[in-house]
Amino acid sequence: NAGVTQTPKFRVLKTGQSMTLLCAQDMNHEYMYWYRQDPGMGLRLIHYSVGEGTTAKGEVPDGYNVSRLKKQNFLLGLESAAPSQTSVYFCASSYPTGEVNTEAFFGQGTRLTVV
Amino acid sequence: LAKTTQPISMDSYEGQEVNITCSHNNIATNDYITWYQQFPSQGPRFIIQGYKTKVTNEVASLFIPADRKSSTLSLPRVSLSDTAVYYCLVAMNNNAGNMLTFGGGTRLMVKP
Repeated sequence: NAGVTQTPKFRVLKTGQSMTLLCAQDMNHEYMYWYRQDPGMGLRLIHYSVGEGTTAKGEVPDGYNVSRLKKQNFLLGLESAAPSQTSVYFCASSYPTGEVNTEAFFGQGTRLTVV
Repeated sequence: LAKTTQPISMDSYEGQEVNITCSHNNIATNDYITWYQQFPSQGPRFIIQGYKTKVTNEVASLFIPADRKSSTLSLPRVSLSDTAVYYCLVAMNNNAGNMLTFGGGTRLMVKP
């Protein structure tokens, strides 16, 4: 099993450009998450999904859009990139049991620089 | 919504036991407490999860008092490779399901 795979690993964008980050998981997990992590800071939740076809806003959703058309994939889009979106982006997935959100598995991260 | 508070940083020496305490005064009845570890340039990794009393696995122990307003992650006999950031999480339930939100974490530095 590959676990959680993020594509691409690195990217440099010019201000105003758009791009899509892909997250794929092969563990049949229901929940998927997108986070950003700025240098020396903790992770901040951007958007998340509790199942195929559903998405919800996290702590810092502005400037991002997401889609979960297939259970195994969670896409994060930047329509018009800004330097403030320079960060490392992490995707994660988990399989909750009832009220308990069990262990989340993280991808290796995507380092995005907007110039 | 439960929010967590942890020390920003801690120093320790190899072979010592390290205890990191997390406060979560507004924890809800159905919330579980989960700890993650993050090394530089990597995504976080699950360490341990508990609801009350004590939980132990091959990596750490988690102590949760009866009022559940705090929890303590205990790392026995740390080594240099335990240098990392440790996050305490309390699941945030909402209508759309569980959100996993991370605070600032505790940066542990293990010295030789």
